[in-house]
Amino acid sequence: QVQLQESGPGLVKPSQTLSLTCTVSGGSISSGSYYWSWIRQPAGKGLEWIGHIYSSGSTNYNPSLKSRVTISIDTSKNQFSLKLSAATAADTAVYYCATEPRTFGPNWFDPWGQGTLVTVSS
Amino acid sequence: DIQMTQSPSSLSASVGDRVTITCRASQSISSYLNWYQQKPGKAPKLLIYSASSLQSGVPSRFSGSGSGTDFTLTISSLQPEDFATYYCQQSYSTPYIFGQGTKLEIK
Repeated sequence: QVQLQESGPGLVKPSQTLSLTCTVSGGSISSGSYYWSWIRQPAGKGLEWIGHIYSSGSTNYNPSLKSRVTISIDTSKNQFSLKLSAATAADTAVYYCATEPRTFGPNWFDPWGQGTLVTVSS
Repeated sequence: DIQMTQSPSSLSASVGDRVTITCRASQSISSYLNWYQQKPGKAPKLLIYSASSLQSGVPSRFSGSGSGTDFTLTISSLQPEDFATYYCQQSYSTPYIFGQGTKLEIK
């Protein structure tokens, strides 16, 4: 069973780049069976899909964040990463990594990492 | 973007009650609708995928129905561990959008 674990700084200064990594265990990130996603949730609010990457490196981003987001994949480390530039207080949230099965029909997010809180503050 | 509207936003119910949460899409999404349960401080957990398929390990008191634009999540007999926030999510097209959530509280 695939398991995911987020890691990265818990505090980022405004205007800097927020960087997180998701380490995948129990399966290969190169398998081609999944998309690898980032999702965030501000405190007390709902869930926002940030984007995803496939093992080939192809990406799809939420247009609301597209100008600031980069998702990359490192198959040698079985990890994928998120970079969000020009961070502001509005980017303060719990960030989750999750997988989507790569199907030709409906898909869904499962499993999820436990989440990591990132605060943007000086 | 396809918008998702859940109702109600909050709901008070008692153990043993039958509860229904609805989710409406701003356009047809066929059966591309998922339901998640989230407890405080935890990641969301997949309950139902493809509108009506029960995720492995999820109790059978949870069920989903609907297609097109209107969907429901039903809990047939509430248990103490079911008090949580529930989200729907469309996977018809990107950007994937979640509903705003329904907080289920103990009456």
